[in-house]
Amino acid sequence: AQKVTQAQTEISVVEKEDVTLDCVYETRDTTYYLFWYKQPPSGELVFLIRRNSFDEQNEISGRYSWNFQKSTSSFNFTITASQVVDSAVYFCALTGNQFYFGTGTSLTVIP
Amino acid sequence: DVKVTQSSRYLVKRTGEKVFLECVQDMDHENMFWYRQDPGLGLRLIYFSYDVKMKEKGDIPEGYSVSREKKERFSLILESASTNQTSMYLCASSTGGETGIIYGYTFGSGTRLTVV
Repeated sequence: AQKVTQAQTEISVVEKEDVTLDCVYETRDTTYYLFWYKQPPSGELVFLIRRNSFDEQNEISGRYSWNFQKSTSSFNFTITASQVVDSAVYFCALTGNQFYFGTGTSLTVIP
Repeated sequence: DVKVTQSSRYLVKRTGEKVFLECVQDMDHENMFWYRQDPGLGLRLIYFSYDVKMKEKGDIPEGYSVSREKKERFSLILESASTNQTSMYLCASSTGGETGIIYGYTFGSGTRLTVV
């Protein structure tokens, strides 16, 4: 069965600190896709990144970076020098014939 | 700008009412989905559809039904609303059909439904 676990329910950091959001997944598929979405207070989930199972290169986009490790079935998300605008709920997801979402991590960045 | 539009942002209904939540996408996507989001439970799939007039049950279909008469529109119906259906409802769409979802979802802004 496919499953995504985000063990961190809530995280609070002070502005400019780095923060890592953990994501662990389970799947029997050999080809799959992993995603991160951001849900700001406005409610709409916003796509951040998509990674396929054959590409284990880490990715950096500005202050955001992602660490994909198949050996530990993890796809962690790091925000460097956090800002108040990063405050949101972040979801990790895994695809099969539908999305399997984690329960989300609520990040609060304190000014 | 491509988008998924949910007809209402906030909705208040009485127990026992029949409630319709509408979702329209303009991306010609095959797949459409309805989720509900509750604190501590994340997003739970209610129903989804790979094509017009077809539907599949998700993880929590009880108390809900759906309708997809046109490709761009996917409606969620609460046959007799109950207080435990108070929640945030999110619609999403994607390409992929039954072969799988590769490019991710596009989400609507959500409908916050309160049943009193």
